Amino acid sequence: AQSVTQLDSQVPVFEEAPVELRCNYSSSVSVYLFWYVQYPNQGLQLLLKYLSGSTLVESINGFEAEFNKSQTSFHLRKPSVHISDTAEYFCAVMGMNTGFQKLVFGTGTRLLVSP
Amino acid sequence: DGGITQSPKYLFRKEGQNVTLSCEQNLNHDAMYWYRQDPGQGLRLIYYSQIVNDFQKGDIAEGYSVSREKKESFPLTVTSAQKNPTAFYLCASSAGTALWQYFGPGTRLTVT
Repeated sequence: AQSVTQLDSQVPVFEEAPVELRCNYSSSVSVYLFWYVQYPNQGLQLLLKYLSGSTLVESINGFEAEFNKSQTSFHLRKPSVHISDTAEYFCAVMGMNTGFQKLVFGTGTRLLVSP
Repeated sequence: DGGITQSPKYLFRKEGQNVTLSCEQNLNHDAMYWYRQDPGQGLRLIYYSQIVNDFQKGDIAEGYSVSREKKESFPLTVTSAQKNPTAFYLCASSAGTALWQYFGPGTRLTVT
């Protein structure tokens, strides 16, 4: 089984400042990793994913995440945030076992960007 | 436009009543899922279906039921047996070969 820990429930930051949202996971097998973003009263949107290959993955809107197997982490970063980045961010993991593998979510981190 | 629709966006019911939440997708995805979201708890899997006419319980299936008679549709019924039904419900789908899921806009259910 897998589990995901997002230690920060809320991260306040000023516009144009850098931000890092932390995600650590636990799994007895290799995993796929995802970040989803949820704007208020909306569904989740896939932000980026790590399936294989380069451990650094990027999204189209400037976010990036790095898979660190030794530290079992997949932290999300952005060098300069905008007001529009205010949202809740969920880290998720899926095991690489055969058969149905469910997506296991963390409890989310609310990013609050202020002017 | 392809996507997932959930209706209605807000739903209010009295305690003791069953209520059915709609989920429709036109992405031609084989698999569909229902999640429940509560503040500070992330998403928890209620039911999932990998193919038409087949579905499996997730982590918190008690008090819920589903059907999958058509590929496009995966309705969720919240029964009176569900002790704390007030929550935000999210439907998702995924293609057979894809690992990630697409989510609908959600239905906020309030039971009083």
